[in-house]
Amino acid sequence: QLVLTQSPSASASLGASVKLTCTLSSGDRNYAIAWHQQQPEKGPRYLMKVNNDGSSTNGDGIPGRFSGSSFGAERYLTISSLQSEDEADYYCQTWVTGIPVFGGGTKLTVL
Amino acid sequence: EVQLVQSGGGWVQPGGSLRLSCVASGFSVSGHFMNWVRQAPGKGLEWVSVFFAGGSTYYADSVKGRFTISRDNLKNTLYLQMNSLRPEDTAVYYCARSFSPEINSWGQGTLVTVSS
Repeated sequence: QLVLTQSPSASASLGASVKLTCTLSSGDRNYAIAWHQQQPEKGPRYLMKVNNDGSSTNGDGIPGRFSGSSFGAERYLTISSLQSEDEADYYCQTWVTGIPVFGGGTKLTVL
Repeated sequence: EVQLVQSGGGWVQPGGSLRLSCVASGFSVSGHFMNWVRQAPGKGLEWVSVFFAGGSTYYADSVKGRFTISRDNLKNTLYLQMNSLRPEDTAVYYCARSFSPEINSWGQGTLVTVSS
């Protein structure tokens, strides 16, 4: 069964960069994923798709300081020039035969 | 512009029923995988059900036999009929569109509270 693992929390300073990680379970390193952002008291927002070859495509209206990459079974979300509104929960998501699978989420604190 | 506008939800006693609606604009629900995803208070996202473009439907084990997903192509609307509700079904429910096939659009969410 495919599992996505995320660290529960991360923190970084205002104006700095942070790299969040989503790890695919063993043997599943060919899967693409999506990243979603959920700001406090709001619904999720689609950020981007990250392919297993490291390429990524941002969703409509997502600024370029959000970028994706991958290496092996790990998929990354890098946020540069951190702003206060980037403080949020970030979820990775993939799919198995079209059915969504979510990671547990990472709570990002902007210091 | 793609938009998903949800309605329904509210408070219900255990064993009761509710129906959620999700009206889509900017695309046809019949041409996409359409999902319901929920989030219990303080918890992460949990997939609930999917309606594939071809008409197949699937459910999470936790709701199988109690929830029914459906769509009305003329009204461009997705539904979730929830029966035999339990306290553990308390959550914010989101409709979400899958595209190629990651989820790339979300509704605003609607709160369902199951309590006596």
